[in-house]
Amino acid sequence: DAGVIQSPRHEVTEMGQEVTLRCKPISGHDYLFWYRQTMMRGLELLIYFNNNVPIDDSGMPEDRFSAKMPNASFSTLKIQPSEPRDSAVYFCASSTTSRWTGRYSGYTFGSGTRLTVV
Amino acid sequence: AQTVTQSQPEMSVQEAETVTLSCTYDTSENNYYLFWYKQPPSRQMILVIRQEAYKQQNATENRFSVNFQKAAKSFSLKISDSQLGDTAMYFCAFMKHDNSGTYKYIFGTGTRLKVLA
Repeated sequence: DAGVIQSPRHEVTEMGQEVTLRCKPISGHDYLFWYRQTMMRGLELLIYFNNNVPIDDSGMPEDRFSAKMPNASFSTLKIQPSEPRDSAVYFCASSTTSRWTGRYSGYTFGSGTRLTVV
Repeated sequence: AQTVTQSQPEMSVQEAETVTLSCTYDTSENNYYLFWYKQPPSRQMILVIRQEAYKQQNATENRFSVNFQKAAKSFSLKISDSQLGDTAMYFCAFMKHDNSGTYKYIFGTGTRLKVLA
């Protein structure tokens, strides 16, 4: 498996512009998570999905942020309009519990998108 | 609420030596998972090792092992024969395990480890 795939790897945008981050989870994983990492706040959970359904979006900073998971193999995180304080590394991660062993896989993270809003 | 504390912001170790990173957590849960993740300068978050709370035996993965003390709520990571490639930020994470379907991690603030040649 290619792992969790995120795109783009780097994004530089101007304040006020719309930004869309993309994630392809590992095939068969039924949980998908979006995290944001900054020096000041560390790793923050923004939202997570189970079987494509948003379960907890309490970490989404404000209405400018939205996330979708239209199918099991794709998710997007959108920021509109973007602001300089949104500059961070955004991670997507996926996980599952084995039907056979009942063992939880733990998160597998993508390589992250470094977003810079100028 | 659960909390995870990594009290060592930075550590260094000589190549080939052994180093232990500490992690403590606070929870009233009985069933949970604990993880250590490594984040090298490439920024990729890599799972190093995991421990199920119901298992008494400490997890090991090659040069990486944990000392899991459930009563003390301690979960330290030992790296043996340290290598330059072990230089990274290390995060401890807690996840409760129940039938509610909640699979959120609680992360510690990280320990920056530098392996010296």
